Amino acid sequence: NAGVTQTPKFRILKIGQSMTLQCTQDMNHNYMYWYRQDPGMGLKLIYYSVGAGITDKGEVPNGYNVSRSTTEDFPLRLELAAPSQTSVYFCASSHSSGAYEQYFGPGTRLTVT
Amino acid sequence: AQTVTQSQPEMSVQEAETVTLSCTYDTSESDYYLFWYKQPPSRQMILVIRQEAYKQQNATENRFSVNFQKAAKSFSLKISDSQLGDAAMYFCAYRWYSGGGADGLTFGKGTHLIIQP
Repeated sequence: NAGVTQTPKFRILKIGQSMTLQCTQDMNHNYMYWYRQDPGMGLKLIYYSVGAGITDKGEVPNGYNVSRSTTEDFPLRLELAAPSQTSVYFCASSHSSGAYEQYFGPGTRLTVT
Repeated sequence: AQTVTQSQPEMSVQEAETVTLSCTYDTSESDYYLFWYKQPPSRQMILVIRQEAYKQQNATENRFSVNFQKAAKSFSLKISDSQLGDAAMYFCAYRWYSGGGADGLTFGKGTHLIIQP
């Protein structure tokens, strides 16, 4: 199993551009998440989804959008990129809540200049 | 909102010795879950150990163990017989959830662990 895969691994955007970060998991997990990690900080939750067709905001959702049309995919959309969105983005998935482990993808390093 | 505090930005330990990483959290819930994740330079997040708040027994995974003090809201990680491969950032995380489906992790800022050969 590939687990959680993310594309691209690196990306440089100009201010005002848009892009979609892709995330796919092959573990048939219902729960999926997007986090961002700023330098020297822990991860912060952007959006999460508890199943196809269901999404909700996390701690830092401004400037982002998500969709969940299938169990496997959970893309993150950045509209009108800003320098404050320079970060490493992690996608994660989990079978369920509680003690179930969240499995993380390898991350996408995004720079907005 | 829950908060997680890791007060040690960096720790250093000699290979084969024992080190303890500190973590405190704030919550009004009685049932929750706590995790320690390891992030090596590859930046991959790796689960080290987990603890259910309703369990009084401290979790153990090989050389890794926790000291969970629920009343004090403290969740420290002890690494015994430190190895060079343990060098990484370590993050403490609190998992919040509700019956309505809300769910996520709140992370501390991390502790950078250095292993001296």
